[in-house]
Amino acid sequence: EPEVTQTPSHQVTQMGQEVILRCVPISNHLYFYWYRQILGQKVEFLVSFYNNEISEKSEIFDDQFSVERPDGSNFTLKIRSTKLEDSAMYFCASSGAGWDSNQPQHFGDGTRLSIL
Amino acid sequence: GQQVMQIPQYQHVQEGEDFTTYCNSSTTLSNIQWYKQRPGGHPVFLIQLVKSGEVKKQKRLTFQFGEAKKNSSLHITATQTTDVGTYFCAGPTGGGSNYKLTFGKGTLLTVNP
Repeated sequence: EPEVTQTPSHQVTQMGQEVILRCVPISNHLYFYWYRQILGQKVEFLVSFYNNEISEKSEIFDDQFSVERPDGSNFTLKIRSTKLEDSAMYFCASSGAGWDSNQPQHFGDGTRLSIL
Repeated sequence: GQQVMQIPQYQHVQEGEDFTTYCNSSTTLSNIQWYKQRPGGHPVFLIQLVKSGEVKKQKRLTFQFGEAKKNSSLHITATQTTDVGTYFCAGPTGGGSNYKLTFGKGTLLTVNP
């Protein structure tokens, strides 16, 4: 079964440094998402992306965050200047064709981001 | 903004006992989705309910969507140790032509063998 893949599985970064999290969505999916989950808490929506632009973003997704689809397969999340509170598991997800709310989202295994 | 609430936060059962988690939304949902997250894992899509009053079954799991499409439940009959994990409900909340999922806080199920 096709999977969403994320790299790296664990990223350790010094506070203030930039970090890029990478995702390869399922190949025929058109809609892409980033979520984060602070340890022991719920999954929180960050951003959705379609047709090479952001569709929606949450209040968490401030100017320090950006997303990009640099080629036909990768989808990246960049945090420009990391803060301690950015430490979390970051999940990428994708969903299939049919731009309505009835398409389930498929999650990757996540990248655990640790800010020192 | 829209809130999705889940209870209980934790549930510990003996293997073979039943388990239920409840989900409530502050607004009407077009659909509700359920995900399971094993410890250390990622959310895995279980099911989606779309119609008012809908009931769906997956083996020992029964999912219900309320008549007003604001609440849902997941019931597991005769739990097994493989059922351990956090069960999240999630509802689409984006406007316009796309959506985002708002997750509940989840119910962590532990099963004593």
